[in-house]
Amino acid sequence: GENVGLHLPTLSVQEGDNSIINCAYSNSASDYFIWYKQESGKGPQFIIDIRSNMDKRQGQRVTVLLNKTVKHLSLQIAATQPGDSAVYFCAENIPPARQLTFGSGTQLTVLP
Amino acid sequence: DTGVSQNPRHKITKRGQNVTFRCDPISEHNRLYWYRQTLGQGPEFLTYFQNEAQLEKSRLLSDRFSAERPKGSFSTLEIQRTEQGDSAMYLCASSSAQGLGEKLFFGSGTQLSVL
Repeated sequence: GENVGLHLPTLSVQEGDNSIINCAYSNSASDYFIWYKQESGKGPQFIIDIRSNMDKRQGQRVTVLLNKTVKHLSLQIAATQPGDSAVYFCAENIPPARQLTFGSGTQLTVLP
Repeated sequence: DTGVSQNPRHKITKRGQNVTFRCDPISEHNRLYWYRQTLGQGPEFLTYFQNEAQLEKSRLLSDRFSAERPKGSFSTLEIQRTEQGDSAMYLCASSSAQGLGEKLFFGSGTQLSVL
């Protein structure tokens, strides 16, 4: 399943399928990007990050892709599991500030 | 537990009352952040400390809000004369990075309800 930007805040995928969550970030000067997962009643949990001098970074079952030309960030989750159901936020650091600016999030629901 | 700890987890108060929240960051983290999150939205930056110095404040932080980190360890966020619009989740985060752009570790937040 694929979500485009922030206009589709929900994404449903079948268990075992790959998920792609997209984010259009705001500032071409942003030098650092990060994805967080947030479950209900909990604080955001780090998933993966990437600096602006890279275009791809892989973790365990997750990959982040950065396209600076169109200011687009995506999170790919392989073999999505029920425990992946949560809200996913992208965030950027806009220099010279030293704090993250968050997007509004995408609700991922994994169907059995 | 070596994560970021926030207390209380929930706070219900009446409009006009003062409330104070506490955050204990991961030990040795020199930066501490406060964010606010309303339902369905991403966290919004309020303020941050480098050790005991408060270095940035958002325009969201009205004069009714004050934050301290007196010894560079735990921090408190106080809201005076609470309003219903203050109802939100207040998140604390900490980090140890030295440069720009860094991974923040979040606590579970304090959910404030102003009646």
